[in-house]
This record gives sequence, C-alpha cells and structure tokens, in this order.
Amino acid sequence: ETGVTQSPTHLIKTRGQQVTLRCSSQSGHNTVSWYQQALGQGPQFIFQYYREEENGRGNFPPRFSGLQFPNYSSELNVNALELDDSALYLCASSRSAQGDYEQYFGPGTRLTVT
Amino acid sequence: ELKVEQNPLFLSMQEGKNYTIYCNYSTTSDRLYWYRQDPGKSLESLFVLLSNGAVKQEGRLMASLDTKARLSTLHITAAVHDLSATYFCAVIKAAGNKLTFGGGTRVLVKP
Repeated sequence: ETGVTQSPTHLIKTRGQQVTLRCSSQSGHNTVSWYQQALGQGPQFIFQYYREEENGRGNFPPRFSGLQFPNYSSELNVNALELDDSALYLCASSRSAQGDYEQYFGPGTRLTVT
Repeated sequence: ELKVEQNPLFLSMQEGKNYTIYCNYSTTSDRLYWYRQDPGKSLESLFVLLSNGAVKQEGRLMASLDTKARLSTLHITAAVHDLSATYFCAVIKAAGNKLTFGGGTRVLVKP
C-alpha cells in the first residue's frame, strides 16, 4: 500500500509568482486536506477536498485554491505569492470525510518565497 | 473558534528523568491526536484519544485525555536522546473536519 506522496520536495519562487503543489492520496482514500506550517508554528488548515468538492476551508485568502481529481489526488495552487507564504505545505489523506477516519500526512513540500 | 494551547513551548530534558507536556483546548472535541515532528520532516502520528479517561502508552510515551477539563497530557518516562523532537497535539471537532493544532512543544533531551 502506497502512502501519501507530495511533489515537489522543495521549491523556490519569487514574490508575485504562482505555484502548484501536488499530493497523491493513499490508496483507498477519497479525502485530502491541506495544511500550511510556518517555521516554528503548528500546521494550519487551508482546505479539504472530498470526492472532488471543497469540503471546508480555513482562514486563507482566495489566492489559495485547490483541485481534487477523479483519482483523488489533489493540487494546491497559490497565486500572487507573498513572502509570508514561505512554509512547509502538508497534505493529508483519509478514507472519508464522513466518519471517524484518521488523516495520514505526506512528507510535505517546502516552499521558499524570495 | 476552537483554540489549542500547549505548554511548555520548549522543554530541555535530562536523560532518565520524567516530564509532562500539556495540551488545553477551548471547546468540546471529538478526538485528540498527538504527533511527533523531526526537524524538516512531516508529522508522525503517536496517539489518538477518543473518550474521557482514555490512556494510551507506547514505549516511554503515555498520553491521557480529560474531556471535562479539556486537557490532554503527554508524559515522557525516563527521557532518552531519541525522543528529541517537536510534539504537537491536535483536536478535531467534527468527523472528517479540520485538525486544529497547538503551537508545539520542542523537546531537547540532553545526556
């Protein structure tokens, strides 16, 4: 059974650019959640996708957007990058958004905005 | 809004001694998690606590939950260097919903 994977591992972008981060969910999981972890802080919930629909969103501006594909993999897109977007981005997959299912975290993508 | 607070933020431990990390949360929750994170790495799930009075143990780590006090503790017995990491608690208010994390406790175990 393949775990949650994310790509790329590291990324350096310039302020104002756009970035796309990718996440492949664990086999059998239809729900993906994205979290942003700034240096020295706990992860913060960005949004969740369940069966290709957004299923909850945290306190992030609209320039943070996402997609979930029929195979339940997901993308996080960030437009107009700001310096404060520099962080570790974690995705987590779970068997379903309905019911008590644990979220399994991927290795993360480290984004640096200069 | 659900808030989660951990203390202390930093814990310098001596090998062989016992320590406790505290996690307080502001409203009722369905589940509480403890995670470990090594520098530059992702989150490793340690424990899931589901009900009042729940206690789970794995090696030198033991976690407990008091839902009435909205408090969870992570107890470290006879600390060893390998336990150096940052520990996070997180709560989830409704099934399938978002995890709300505490700010983390950075643990450094010195010989």
